[in-house]
Amino acid sequence: KAGVTQTPRYLIKTRGQQVTLSCSPISGHRSVSWYQQTPGQGLQFLFEYFSETQRNKGNFPGRFSGRQFSNSRSEMNVSTLELGDSALYLCASSLLLQSRTDTQYFGPGTRLTVL
Amino acid sequence: DAKTTQPPSMDCAEGRAANLPCNHSTISGNEYVYWYRQIHSQGPQYIIHGLKNNETNEMASLIITEDRKSSTLILPHATLRDTAVYYCIVSLNTGNQFYFGTGTSLTVIP
Repeated sequence: KAGVTQTPRYLIKTRGQQVTLSCSPISGHRSVSWYQQTPGQGLQFLFEYFSETQRNKGNFPGRFSGRQFSNSRSEMNVSTLELGDSALYLCASSLLLQSRTDTQYFGPGTRLTVL
Repeated sequence: DAKTTQPPSMDCAEGRAANLPCNHSTISGNEYVYWYRQIHSQGPQYIIHGLKNNETNEMASLIITEDRKSSTLILPHATLRDTAVYYCIVSLNTGNQFYFGTGTSLTVIP
């Protein structure tokens, strides 16, 4: 079974621009979560989507948004980019069953550099 | 905020068992303990998770104390490829946000 895929893998933008990142979950997984990883703050939760609805949201400004499509694929968007948005953006998917066998599986990430 | 405490770094000789501790004294009765590792700039890799009982898979063993306030991840025969940052996470279920602390940077020494 294919893992979580993220596109693009690398991205360079300039301040003020916006960016859209894409995540395709493992087949059959309906929950998608997004995380930001920076050297200073570590791995931080952005938001989680299930059945096209945002269920949980981390402590990030409104410039960070996301959505989920009916096929469970998800996108996140960052508007008005700032230098501090340079980070590794990670997507994770899960079945979202309260099962001892379920867990989150992470993709390889998108490395965003803001100049 | 992260609900776990881990030592910032550890070394382990190649071929020996690596024992990575984690304290989670505020864990609630229905929260799982998850372990992930991250090799530089890659996505975190799932290792193992458990609720109450000890767990073992092809990668590692997880020992959870009876009071569930701490756990130990055991890599039975560490290799150089096990050098990574190891994260211990407690969470109600996979739909909830994972709080990643600073983790333990494990270095396997030849």
